Amino acid sequence: DGGITQSPKYLFRKEGQNVTLSCEQNLNHDAMYWYRQDPGQGLRLIYYSQIVNDFQKGDIAEGYSVSREKKESFPLTVTSAQKNPTAFYLCASSKRGGGIQETQYFGPGTRLLVL
Amino acid sequence: GEDVEQSLFLSVREGDSSVINCTYTDSSSTYLYWYKQEPGAGLQLLTYIFSNMDMKQDQRLTVLLNKKDKHLSLRIADTQTGDSAIYFCPSGESQGNLIFGKGTKLSVKP
Repeated sequence: DGGITQSPKYLFRKEGQNVTLSCEQNLNHDAMYWYRQDPGQGLRLIYYSQIVNDFQKGDIAEGYSVSREKKESFPLTVTSAQKNPTAFYLCASSKRGGGIQETQYFGPGTRLLVL
Repeated sequence: GEDVEQSLFLSVREGDSSVINCTYTDSSSTYLYWYKQEPGAGLQLLTYIFSNMDMKQDQRLTVLLNKKDKHLSLRIADTQTGDSAIYFCPSGESQGNLIFGKGTKLSVKP
């Protein structure tokens, strides 16, 4: 049963705390992405990775960090430097190589709330 | 840079057709996509169209692409309450990333 999993579904962060959101895929996809969605807004790209051990900043990378040590996993850390972290976080993945292979598939999302 | 414009809301009666429109400033994608997002869920790939086509039909879904005007539309025939969701039509940039608009919230009234 292939797909993208994100955990946890809900996450609570205290002031000054770093929290890590998990994203795993078993689709053998090369590329993975993290997006942030605020209410009534579209998705904004935080970070993306086209290959293991390499990643690039998206449009709103400040206050976030990522790693890509394994092809299947792309965890996102929301650091204390991110002053407004409350949002819905979506992970996606795609095969690379151009054309229809670059279609992005999304996980179910993690909702981050600040206590 | 790339941008995507969509109407924020659309309300239809069950059984009617829905047409969701999308205008983009530029797209480097070989394919253009429609995604559906139900409340509290991730995005589900609904359908896609090859950028050299002008129409694609997929059961109740019809996608029309006017590449000259950079206009994409999604028609849902016989709209059902289960079609209530937010619909996104991202454009693609040269690196393969997607640019999302705010989405169109479709409400289906029984």
